[in-house]
Amino acid sequence: ETGVTQSPTHLIKTRGQQVTLRCSSQSGHNTVSWYQQALGQGPQFIFQYYREEENGRGNFPPRFSGLQFPNYSSELNVNALLLGDSALYLCASTQVGGGLQTQYFGPGTRLLVL
Amino acid sequence: GQNIDQPTEMTATEGAIVQINCTYQTSGFNGLFWYQQHAGEAPTFLSYNVLDGLEEKGRFSSFLSRSKGYSYLLLKELQMKDSASYLCAVPSASGGSYIPTFGRGTSLIVHP
Repeated sequence: ETGVTQSPTHLIKTRGQQVTLRCSSQSGHNTVSWYQQALGQGPQFIFQYYREEENGRGNFPPRFSGLQFPNYSSELNVNALLLGDSALYLCASTQVGGGLQTQYFGPGTRLLVL
Repeated sequence: GQNIDQPTEMTATEGAIVQINCTYQTSGFNGLFWYQQHAGEAPTFLSYNVLDGLEEKGRFSSFLSRSKGYSYLLLKELQMKDSASYLCAVPSASGGSYIPTFGRGTSLIVHP
């Protein structure tokens, strides 16, 4: 148990729909990162939030957006879903300055787009 | 940019030793991470190397050669529970944070 929780655990959507995934960070962690992991691949960095502001972004289109709230929980929103968005979505929290070795991943949300 | 290469799959026998290699190309080196990921679960941190050499942590050791852009994870006395995907990751600096680039992972299958 890492103290990072995500909801829902599984989700099925259809092409064109919108989805919101949620993450609750470990206590004391004020930075959250989101990753997309396709089957058989490593996690791909989507973006990172620190103090409710985006603090780095990977090579993902604008239809991937996020929010971080004052209690350090966060959301990943994906609009206009494509079949290729089917993946495991991971969030990870860390304390700024703590280094990636202190990054803790949540269990992930498995999204299937039909 | 970052480029990471690791074997897709390896098999080994319980009790044996296995070495999982990772080669990387990066514009700026900020250390190398290894993670373990069991099927259907989140990655968990195993090791972090920033200087050349071998770092040992129980049954797991990790080696780094910065001049060769090469690392390996060594697993000794393999157990069935070691069957998992092993991810190599290299972070790059971006603003005030470090953004990791992960390899595709090496799926290790441990046989009895």
